[in-house]
Amino acid sequence: EVQLVESGGGLVQPGRSLKLSCAASGFTFSSFAMAWVRQAPKKGLEWVATITSGGSNTYYPDSVKGRFTISRDNAKSTLYLQMDSLRSEDTATYYCAKDLTTRVSWYFDFWGPGTMVTVSS
Amino acid sequence: DIVLTQSPALAVSLGQRATISCRASQSVSISRYNLMHWYQQKPGQQPKLLIYRASNLASGIPARFSGSGSGTDFTLTINPVQADDIATYYCQQSRESPPTFGGGTKLELK
Repeated sequence: EVQLVESGGGLVQPGRSLKLSCAASGFTFSSFAMAWVRQAPKKGLEWVATITSGGSNTYYPDSVKGRFTISRDNAKSTLYLQMDSLRSEDTATYYCAKDLTTRVSWYFDFWGPGTMVTVSS
Repeated sequence: DIVLTQSPALAVSLGQRATISCRASQSVSISRYNLMHWYQQKPGQQPKLLIYRASNLASGIPARFSGSGSGTDFTLTINPVQADDIATYYCQQSRESPPTFGGGTKLELK
């Protein structure tokens, strides 16, 4: 059974940093691209970052480019999101998501339960 | 970016058909591939993939869910609607980066 479990969320002041983790199990983690998707309170879904299976390529929307860094440790089956220079508009639940195919397909067949990040002074 | 437009809410009776629409600001189809996908999200839960590439049922999803469409217009159909289907439904395109989501359609009971 595929499982994705995020951790590392919490309350952080604007301008500070936070690092999220996502522990994966139940599939061959190193074979799949992975992503982070966020959802602001009572709002819709926004893609945040994608990383290829081997970790060599990463992709971001303009809203987080230069501030967020996605990475992975295939030996530990863990995905990360380093978030720097946080802003109030980054407040959201952050979901770890598995790409459907072994290449970057940009759609996601399994999601973790999410971890909440609140950026506030 | 490709903008996806959904109606905010749809009221339906149990046992009836629900049709949820999604319109893209430009075509999300490439040759025979229609790169539109549908997710279900219940309150307090993570999204769940229902339909991928417009009409393919994801693993473990009941056959009362189906999808159709091409180009810019896509539809998710639930027939018949069951109580467990009350949720918000999102479309998402993967035709080009960044992948974008619709605003969601909240399925409500009449």
